Amino acid sequence: GENVEQHPSTLSVQEGDSAVIKCTYSDSASNYFPWYKQELGKRPQLIIDIRSNVGEKKDQRIAVTLNKTAKHFSLHITETQPEDSAVYFCAASMDSNYQLIWGAGTKLIIKP
Amino acid sequence: NAGVMQNPRHLVRRRGQEARLRCSPMKGHSHVYWYRQLPEEGLKFMVYLQKENIIDESGMPKERFSAEFPKEGPSILRIQQVVRGDSAAYFCASSSGTGPYGYTFGSGTRLTVV
Repeated sequence: GENVEQHPSTLSVQEGDSAVIKCTYSDSASNYFPWYKQELGKRPQLIIDIRSNVGEKKDQRIAVTLNKTAKHFSLHITETQPEDSAVYFCAASMDSNYQLIWGAGTKLIIKP
Repeated sequence: NAGVMQNPRHLVRRRGQEARLRCSPMKGHSHVYWYRQLPEEGLKFMVYLQKENIIDESGMPKERFSAEFPKEGPSILRIQQVVRGDSAAYFCASSSGTGPYGYTFGSGTRLTVV
């Protein structure tokens, strides 16, 4: 079955700098890759997703890149702000499958 | 639209008791998914239900755990004879169709077994 690995487990960046979180997946059939943000004690919220027919997608300060050959995808946050502090999860799935396979999460800390 | 509603938000049970977690999907959503999150881990799929049907329960332990989504009322995740290892956050998500898109999560139920 699918396995998703996520790095780093903790990332501390200066406010205003960029943050990059990386995930790798094992099943080449996976074709849907969402990213979720989870604040302490709250629900996971979808922040961006990408399907395998594109290599990059942007939404304001957030971007996701996908390398299908290498089976990895990354989340990029530019101009980080204090409210970006949270745990970020990557996930992978297939169109034909309703299950999301989740990474272990990255705790992002924005230093003032 | 009230979103996905889960209750209770926090539940404390003694070992051996039963825990009942409820999830009301978003209006118009007929697909419900339950996930479990252990501390500092990602979510793990447990079960997928449509009205009156369990579609996939492959992620749910075969003993002590059961789930239902009746024709009327919320989906229920039931854990019998709880043990300390059941302590976790249980999230429900709903969607309008099959597939991993458009998941909307509820706020979760944090179960603590003492």
